[in-house]
Amino acid sequence: QSVLTQPPSASGTPGQRVTISCSATSSNIGGNPVYWYRQLPGTAPKLLIYSSDLRPSGVPDRFSGSKSGTSASLAISGLQSEDEADYYCAAWDDNFNYVFGTGTKVTVL
Amino acid sequence: EVQLVQSGAEIKKPGESLRISCKGSGYMFSVYWIGWVRQMPGKGLEWLGMFHPGDSQVRYSPSFHGQVTISADKSISIAYLQWNSLKASDTAMYYCARLQSGSHFDRWFDAWGQGTLVTVSS
Repeated sequence: QSVLTQPPSASGTPGQRVTISCSATSSNIGGNPVYWYRQLPGTAPKLLIYSSDLRPSGVPDRFSGSKSGTSASLAISGLQSEDEADYYCAAWDDNFNYVFGTGTKVTVL
Repeated sequence: EVQLVQSGAEIKKPGESLRISCKGSGYMFSVYWIGWVRQMPGKGLEWLGMFHPGDSQVRYSPSFHGQVTISADKSISIAYLQWNSLKASDTAMYYCARLQSGSHFDRWFDAWGQGTLVTVSS
């Protein structure tokens, strides 16, 4: 089964820029858009980025997404304490199965 | 406002059956796929599958096919996730989520339920 690999953790001080990577292990995800979700402790996930680089209404422009080939990235600029959360990438494989990334815990130092 | 409200926490014994629910409001329920996502304690997100209330199409993750049943009743705008025989390993938080569509392979979960905690223990 297809897997999306993320670093288990990332950290930064307030105001810094943090980048999280998301790499597909197989090419059957590489051609498809990527999505990013944020999960604050004890809450449901929330959509941060769709169609690889678009932000839903209400998501600050501090969050940006990009994709190239079989890899994608989420960048958080101007890191804030409330950004401390788990972040997941996701994508559809070519068999129309939804695949979540392994998740990255962001810590604000 | 789009809302998905899930049923409350459940405590069950191994071998018992269970159905949890997810009620949609604030939008045309029959138009959007509803997906289910599992999160085991301290672990990441896993997609179980999804259901289209309008035409009753269903898709399951290969990892969960045969383990759960996903359905919906569009007349009352409720989606369901069901187990026939629970195992201790089914202990997890389960989320429902609405699938928003762009193109065929560009679809995302734009609204989420609050989650239902299922605990299976003897």
